[in-house]
Amino acid sequence: AQRVTQPEKLLSVFKGAPVELKCNYSYSGSPELFWYVQYSRQRLQLLLRHISRESIKGFTADLNKGETSFHLKKPFAQEEDSAMYYCALKGGGSNYKLTFGKGTLLTVNP
Amino acid sequence: ETGVTQSPTHLIKTRGQQVTLRCSSQSGHNTVSWYQQALGQGPQFIFQYYREEENGRGNFPPRFSGLQFPNYSSELNVNALELDDSALYLCASSVPLDGGNEQYFGPGTRLTVT
Repeated sequence: AQRVTQPEKLLSVFKGAPVELKCNYSYSGSPELFWYVQYSRQRLQLLLRHISRESIKGFTADLNKGETSFHLKKPFAQEEDSAMYYCALKGGGSNYKLTFGKGTLLTVNP
Repeated sequence: ETGVTQSPTHLIKTRGQQVTLRCSSQSGHNTVSWYQQALGQGPQFIFQYYREEENGRGNFPPRFSGLQFPNYSSELNVNALELDDSALYLCASSVPLDGGNEQYFGPGTRLTVT
């Protein structure tokens, strides 16, 4: 079974502070991990995926298979980063089912 | 390039009724997935269609059914509506690729069952 846990429902930081959104997963094989973001009044969109190992809008996430984690980090938060963030897992094979966590609402205060 | 569109935007139905939700996939995408997002929860996978065939199903009862058409648009049908079916229904389209295909989401249909 696939499971994604985001332990923080809400996270509030000040502008310029570092931010880390936690994500832990449970999956027996080799998963693919993603972070999706939903800004206010916008649709859900992909932020980054672990396979591409890229940095988007200053965010990075490293897959730690030992700790089964895929935490999202940014060294200096900006007000425009305020949004709902979802961690998601895709299992192996031809099934492209995404399993989402419950999400973390990030608020960056001025 | 046209993004994923869904209709209707909002819908109110009565318990026991049937509903059909529609999704037009992004141009060039042949795979459509449907998700249910209850209030305060993350999206939950209902099923996926690839080239008009069901390609995987989540933990939803058979009264949730779907179709995909030759132009890759899709429908989600829910029979015998229950109060717990009230949720945001999201459609996402993608092109199957090896290694981390991106799913493009529509704006959703908000279903309220009274």
